[in-house]
Amino acid sequence: DSGVTQTPKHLITATGQRVTLRCSPRSGDLSVYWYQQSLDQGLQFLIQYYNGEERAKGNILERFSAQQFPDLHSELNLSSLELGDSALYFCASSQTGETYNEQFFGPGTRLTVL
Amino acid sequence: QQQVKQSPQSLIVQKGGISIINCAYENTAFDYFPWYQQFPGKGPALLIAIRPDVSEKKEGRFTISFNKSAKQFSLHIMDSQPGDSATYFCAASSYNNNDMRFGAGTRLTVKP
Repeated sequence: DSGVTQTPKHLITATGQRVTLRCSPRSGDLSVYWYQQSLDQGLQFLIQYYNGEERAKGNILERFSAQQFPDLHSELNLSSLELGDSALYFCASSQTGETYNEQFFGPGTRLTVL
Repeated sequence: QQQVKQSPQSLIVQKGGISIINCAYENTAFDYFPWYQQFPGKGPALLIAIRPDVSEKKEGRFTISFNKSAKQFSLHIMDSQPGDSATYFCAASSYNNNDMRFGAGTRLTVKP
């Protein structure tokens, strides 16, 4: 158990809908990362927050947004969902926002868009 | 998008054998090269990582070999065990940009 929690574990929704995925980092970790894992695209970095501020941005679609709250938990919002958004979404956390700092991954949220 | 190429896609090794997974990268700005291990139904977990100032790093049965001029790095698992059966991902990122790029993954099966 990495200490990172993600809810919900599974999410099934329809095209065009909007969902929110939640992540609680390990105690003491200030940085949160979001990743998408799909069969065709593999594991992709989406976005990173450090102590409430956006730190780095990867291949995140404009329909997706994230934020990190004062209590350091983070939410990933996915809107206007398409079939291709079906994937595993992982949150990871690290103590600092530095590249060399180990990231601890949560168990993921499996999103199915029908 | 794919800046890290990983091979093989799958690998079957006998217990006690050596598992070797290779990765190649394109972006010379990359200066951090981690390997992640992922079991079914779980998130990836950091296994071992290397920076380009060294050519090899060993932790227990796991060794990373790094060739900066060839822009290649590899993971060697010595004395492979059935418990090592998992998917392994190489990755790369640069210090001034946390946009980590992952290889496509290698599914390792270690037969008893």
